[in-house]
Parts: sequence; structure tokens; C-alpha cells
Amino acid sequence: GAGVSQSPSNKVTEKGKDVELRCDPISGHTALYWYRQSLGQGLEFLIYFQGNSAPDKSGLPSDRFSAERTGGSVSTLTIQRTQQEDSAVYLCASRISRTEETQYFGPGTRLLVL
Amino acid sequence: AQKVTQAQTEISVVEKEDVTLDCVYETRDTTYYLFWYKQPPSGELVFLIRRNSFDEQNEISGRYSWNFQKSTSSFNFTITASQVVDSAVYFCALSDGANNLFFGTGTRLTVIP
Repeated sequence: GAGVSQSPSNKVTEKGKDVELRCDPISGHTALYWYRQSLGQGLEFLIYFQGNSAPDKSGLPSDRFSAERTGGSVSTLTIQRTQQEDSAVYLCASRISRTEETQYFGPGTRLLVL
Repeated sequence: AQKVTQAQTEISVVEKEDVTLDCVYETRDTTYYLFWYKQPPSGELVFLIRRNSFDEQNEISGRYSWNFQKSTSSFNFTITASQVVDSAVYFCALSDGANNLFFGTGTRLTVIP
């Protein structure tokens, strides 16, 4: 497809389990972002990848959160030992280049930790 | 520090009414970008507009218009003749030109038929 895609759309997991969320950015976009949107809140920046540069991890809330971007394309956000407060919508966005400011968002993954 | 404030949490209007969504921002940067995104019930954030800090021209796109005023640090969004399909959460955001988008907490617009 032409847009950013994310999978799964919904994920229900038990507290303490690990989860992996996937993002496929728009083809050719060099920048990729992960955000978290908690109920009724705005978007919280988590991590940013730009090309082959070291990622900006400044938004990750704890060391249970990590992300990888393989081959400059697909990214996986991993949450280890999930907690109930991790329940949120996780949104991925991509941007064509460092100098183009507009980010285009995927549909998100709704994560529920029981 | 960057900050975006959307004071209106929820707005309800009757179809065909005009509605303005407010956005006030704070930044110390001289170069920055402002955005509006729409988040319909499906959840996907849809890009509506981008404005850079050097361009204060107001913009109109169909029923949508944006009023950017640096003097009051505001970037307000008006929907003319609202329609039910306009019902969504609207986010204003600020980019510091580095890595990040700073989002407001959103305004939920409900258009009643």
C-alpha cells in the first residue's frame, strides 16, 4: 500500500509478557518515528530513526522499551515484561527525509495489557 | 521548551455551523513548523496542513481555513459549514525542526446531524 502500515491492529496480552509491534513505513521514507497515545492524551514521542544514524531514544519511558529498524525500512517496537500502564495506542510515522517536516502516520496498534 | 495547548477538550456543533479549533504554542526557536492532524474514529492520524514560522499567510482549502498569528502564538483552524464526516479528534502540533513533533492533547469535534 501507499501509506504507513502497522501490525497487529490490536494486541491483548497478559502482564509480564513481551510484545512486538511492527511498522512498515512509506517506501523511500528515510525517517521513522514511534509515538504512544494513551487514552484521552496527545501523542508522546518514543523513538526516532533517521537513515543509518544512531536512533534518538530520548522518549523511551523505560529500559523495557526498545526498537529496531532493519535495512532502513521496517521497524519493530518491543516492550518487555509489559505492565498495565503500557496499555495505549502505539503509532508509527514516517517522513521522506530529514529536511521534509511532514510526518505521515499509520493506523496504530492498540495494546491492552491485562 | 516546546508546548502546544489546545484548551478546548470537546466541541459539539450542529451540522452546517462553522467551528473554530484553537491552538496556542510556545517555542523559543525562530524556525519552527506547525501542523494540524485529524484523527477519525478509525484511529489513523491524517495530515491536514503544515505551516512554517516565516509564512503567516492564512490558508484556505475548501471548507478548511487556518489562521496563523505569530503575535499571539496561535494557529487556529476553522471548519466552515461543518459536516458529520468532520467528527474526529483534531491535533495541533509543533516541530522544532530537529527530530520531534510536539502535540497538543487534541480537541474532539462532534458534528450533530
